[in-house]
Amino acid sequence: QKEVEQNSGPLSVPEGAIASLNCTYSDRGSQSFFWYRQYSGKSPELIMSIYSNGDKEDGRFTAQLNKASQYVSLLIRDSQPSDSATYLCAVTPSNTNAGKSTFGDGTTLTVKP
Amino acid sequence: EAQVTQNPRYLITVTGKKLTVTCSQNMNHEYMSWYRQDPGLGLRQIYYSMNVEVTDKGDVPEGYKVSRKEKRNFPLILESPSPNQTSLYFCASSLTDGNQPQHFGDGTRLSIL
Repeated sequence: QKEVEQNSGPLSVPEGAIASLNCTYSDRGSQSFFWYRQYSGKSPELIMSIYSNGDKEDGRFTAQLNKASQYVSLLIRDSQPSDSATYLCAVTPSNTNAGKSTFGDGTTLTVKP
Repeated sequence: EAQVTQNPRYLITVTGKKLTVTCSQNMNHEYMSWYRQDPGLGLRQIYYSMNVEVTDKGDVPEGYKVSRKEKRNFPLILESPSPNQTSLYFCASSLTDGNQPQHFGDGTRLSIL
């Protein structure tokens, strides 16, 4: 089992729709969770970080964390063509190994005008 | 401007010829890390450093060396490059450790012939 798994893509949604990206992780002691966006040929950039159970909203983006289910998701409301990119889920395993950072394989999102 | 700078951006070289990819950050970050990214895969951690003179292996350290003599610099060394190290490499830094969001450099595309 991979340490961090993302729903397989590619994911295609129409402009204005909600895009839902999912990520599961295997280490129950994981503390920190991140969503990065990566445009083709570019470096990853932070979209959201979340550390405690529940929802965290930032503009059109909402991150949801459920530690009991070992599940973190990213919702993008009112999707725009500019949201078309690969989204990477990243997990830091535990405070005893705070240097490790594990990424999922990414989900490629296409928003069609 | 706060940034992580990698050099070179592109390099084509031959098997066995030692090379160094430099990484420098101007944000006074404690933590730095190296990743490689291959098609269809997310980022895989090579090495990380929690502080000056403190480095540790990530998930794929074989064939690589690092050093952290100064806080701002974290070079990646390939002593005897092989074709399976052809990849896109990213350097990243964060304020304290993997529990903080990481800032990425623009990437270095290495081709080992």
